[in-house]
Amino acid sequence: AAGVIQSPRHLIKEKRETATLKCYPIPRHDTVYWYQQGPGQDPQFLISFYEKMQSDKGSIPDRFSAQQFSDYHSELNMSSLELGDSALYFCASSQSRQGANEQYFGPGTRLTVT
Amino acid sequence: QKEVEQNSGPLSVPEGAIASLNCTYSDRGSQSFFWYRQYSGKSPELIMSIYSNGDKEDGRFTAQLNKASQYVSLLIRDSQPSDSATYLCAVIGSSGSARQLTFGSGTQLTVLP
Repeated sequence: AAGVIQSPRHLIKEKRETATLKCYPIPRHDTVYWYQQGPGQDPQFLISFYEKMQSDKGSIPDRFSAQQFSDYHSELNMSSLELGDSALYFCASSQSRQGANEQYFGPGTRLTVT
Repeated sequence: QKEVEQNSGPLSVPEGAIASLNCTYSDRGSQSFFWYRQYSGKSPELIMSIYSNGDKEDGRFTAQLNKASQYVSLLIRDSQPSDSATYLCAVIGSSGSARQLTFGSGTQLTVLP
């Protein structure tokens, strides 16, 4: 079965640079979520999109923005990167329209800020 | 206090034994509960979802939900070394239309051969 695809898998940036993470949800899934997981921590919700509209916002810094495109893929844009942004970034998708709340996670992007 | 609490462990069980993982949550209106397995450096993998009080079984896994006690548990029967991982309890709360997952800190399970 098709899974969530994320790219790139690894990314190294310097402080104050920008980064763009991409997510391709499972086909026919209508909701995309972004989570951040720091070392030794549990995943923290950043932002979600339902049918290409932002639906919920969590602990996402103002330096970050995200959008979902007409083909349902989503991008997380991160600017003015800080050392503390080093983390695993996961995208998850679900088929909310069907009332299913199960979220399936992609393999993640490991971001290292130096 | 975290919204979702788990015994941090680590929990060690011998191969073939039953592993019992526990989770409590604070939002009494929560309706959706999940268990994820996460290997080190990998993404969370959904292993169980449960929405109604009682037990739900899937292979070697049984999830139990008690909404009155705000308690969710996961039993792993016939534990295998490959079950060694961190198990994350996750809850979707009751605020508005929010469907994001709130995770516990995870329980690290080691199954000893």
